[in-house]
Amino acid sequence: QKEVEQDPGPLSVPEGAIVSLNCTYSNSAFQYFMWYRQYSRKGPELLMYTYSSGNKEDGRFTAQVDKSSKYISLFIRDSQPSDSATYLCAMKPGGTSYGKLTFGQGTILTVHP
Amino acid sequence: GAGVSQSPSNKVTEKGKDVELRCDPISGHTALYWYRQSLGQGLEFLIYFQGNSAPDKSGLPSDRFSAERTGGSVSTLTIQRTQQEDSAVYLCASSPTSGRAAEQFFGPGTRLTVL
Repeated sequence: QKEVEQDPGPLSVPEGAIVSLNCTYSNSAFQYFMWYRQYSRKGPELLMYTYSSGNKEDGRFTAQVDKSSKYISLFIRDSQPSDSATYLCAMKPGGTSYGKLTFGQGTILTVHP
Repeated sequence: GAGVSQSPSNKVTEKGKDVELRCDPISGHTALYWYRQSLGQGLEFLIYFQGNSAPDKSGLPSDRFSAERTGGSVSTLTIQRTQQEDSAVYLCASSPTSGRAAEQFFGPGTRLTVL
């Protein structure tokens, strides 16, 4: 079993919908949680970064971390066709800010006009 | 400022040949990471540099893979005697010093195809 599980989708929604993307994890040492967006044939782009538990909001994006359930979410409000991409969750243990990230498989999202 | 750059963007090679992939991190970033992204395996960690030292090489899949970093800046990933299973996108990332050190910024990747 992988340390980080993410439903690969694909997920298709109409423009303006609220999108919910999720990951579960098994390693209780994970303390840093990230969401990356990756367009086709491009490198991953950091969207959101959360340390430990709680919520974080940035524009149309909200990241939530529930460490008791080992579950993280990314919500996209008022989704746009330009949000169509692969979304990757990533995590790392605490102790030091540096170190490798463990990624989920990525969820392919399509927002159609 | 400029982001992470990687070269070449695409590389096609024959099985058994050696290849070198280059990464230029964001200026001033002390940490540098190499990852590999393939269809079946997703995004996997290979090696991490802090300055010119590599505290974590645990993701290198075999001794055919090696990496170095010079001057605390440019890094080269070398794959010797390439195999078809080495075909993947090789991604480099860098992160700044403490405070935002957990935030890794990725380059566009090098797409390696081994025939």
